[in-house]
Amino acid sequence: DAGVIQSPRHEVTEMGQEVTLRCKPISGHDYLFWYRQTMMRGLELLIYFNNNVPIDDSGMPEDRFSAKMPNASFSTLKIQPSEPRDSAVYFCASSLHPQGTEQYFGPGTRLTVT
Amino acid sequence: QKEVEQDPGPLSVPEGAIVSLNCTYSNSAFQYFMWYRQYSRKGPELLMYTYSSGNKEDGRFTAQVDKSSKYISLFIRDSQPSDSATYLCAMSSNTGNQFYFGTGTSLTVIP
Repeated sequence: DAGVIQSPRHEVTEMGQEVTLRCKPISGHDYLFWYRQTMMRGLELLIYFNNNVPIDDSGMPEDRFSAKMPNASFSTLKIQPSEPRDSAVYFCASSLHPQGTEQYFGPGTRLTVT
Repeated sequence: QKEVEQDPGPLSVPEGAIVSLNCTYSNSAFQYFMWYRQYSRKGPELLMYTYSSGNKEDGRFTAQVDKSSKYISLFIRDSQPSDSATYLCAMSSNTGNQFYFGTGTSLTVIP
């Protein structure tokens, strides 16, 4: 398996623009997680899905953030409008296990909002 | 109080040293304890996980869990320059509705 795939790897955009991050989980993994990582706050869970259904979105910082999982092999995280404080590395991870164990992370998308 | 506390370091050791990395937690519901390694500009990768208390060994790595003290450790024996990375602890409950990562400890092994 190719592992978790994320695109784009790097994104530079201007404040106010819409940003869409994409993730393809490992085939057969029922759980998908979106994280944001910064030096100040470390790795923060934004939202996770089970069988394409959002289970916990309490980590989504505000209404500008939204996530979807239209099928088992694809998820998006959208930020609209983007702000400079959204600059971070965004990771997608997938897992077979409901306890959040054995998560496999993608390479991340490095987002810079100017 | 944070759910999981981890000393950010940085920690610098000579090659061959034994490294001890630690996390403390406050939630007694946590039953699964994980250690991830993250190289610079890469995603975290799972090193080891343990369920409940006890020790687990995998090559040069040993994970320990002391639930009575709410304290977990990762030991690296005969440390190598390739071990230089950030190590994150993570833990979750049985039900899976509570899981958290530590902020990570940055380790450098000097040849």
